Amino acid sequence: AQSVTQLDSHVSVSEGTPVLLRCNYSSSYSPSLFWYVQHPNKGLQLLLKYTSAATLVKGINGFEAEFKKSETSFHLTKPSAHMSDAAEYFCVVTGGYQKVTFGTGTKLQVIP
Amino acid sequence: ETGVTQTPRHLVMGMTNKKSLKCEQHLGHNAMYWYKQSAKKPLELMFVYNFKEQTENNSVPSRFSPECPNSSHLFLHLHTLQPEDSALYLCASSQAGLGQGRIYEQYFGPGTRLTVT
Repeated sequence: AQSVTQLDSHVSVSEGTPVLLRCNYSSSYSPSLFWYVQHPNKGLQLLLKYTSAATLVKGINGFEAEFKKSETSFHLTKPSAHMSDAAEYFCVVTGGYQKVTFGTGTKLQVIP
Repeated sequence: ETGVTQTPRHLVMGMTNKKSLKCEQHLGHNAMYWYKQSAKKPLELMFVYNFKEQTENNSVPSRFSPECPNSSHLFLHLHTLQPEDSALYLCASSQAGLGQGRIYEQYFGPGTRLTVT
């Protein structure tokens, strides 16, 4: 079985403060994990990916995520939020034959 | 044009209409996907094509009919839809599809916003 849980449906931060979006997964296989971002009325854009190389993954726009196998987590972080980061973020786990599972998404609000 | 394009961007259709959604990828990928994104629901994978062959159909009703004439183009033919089919339909592509070994990231188009009246 495979699943992904995004622990917060909404996160609100002030501009310039750190961002933490939480993701926990379960998989019977060695998973690949991804974070995507979706701005309003746009498709999903890949932020970063983990595919069994370094556990700390750096992505675009200053985002990074750390794969923690013992905690089955892949949380997304950014040191300082920008107004343009306001969007919806999706955690995705893939593994095994023909299996891709999306989280339900976390909407990030950035307050000026 | 670069990336993944989808047309039309918006579509309103009646329940008795027949329409088609088009997706084109300019990335040289070999796998293409259709997803359905509804409000307050996780993204649902509908169909997967690897090298023009359908390799996944996630119990999608037959009123949705995909077509993949080549690795760059993907269509979703729609007929006798229901109001609950109203959603954002996203197309994606990747280097190789699920089940082909290494998992590659997917690149998404902007989507077609479908409203069924």
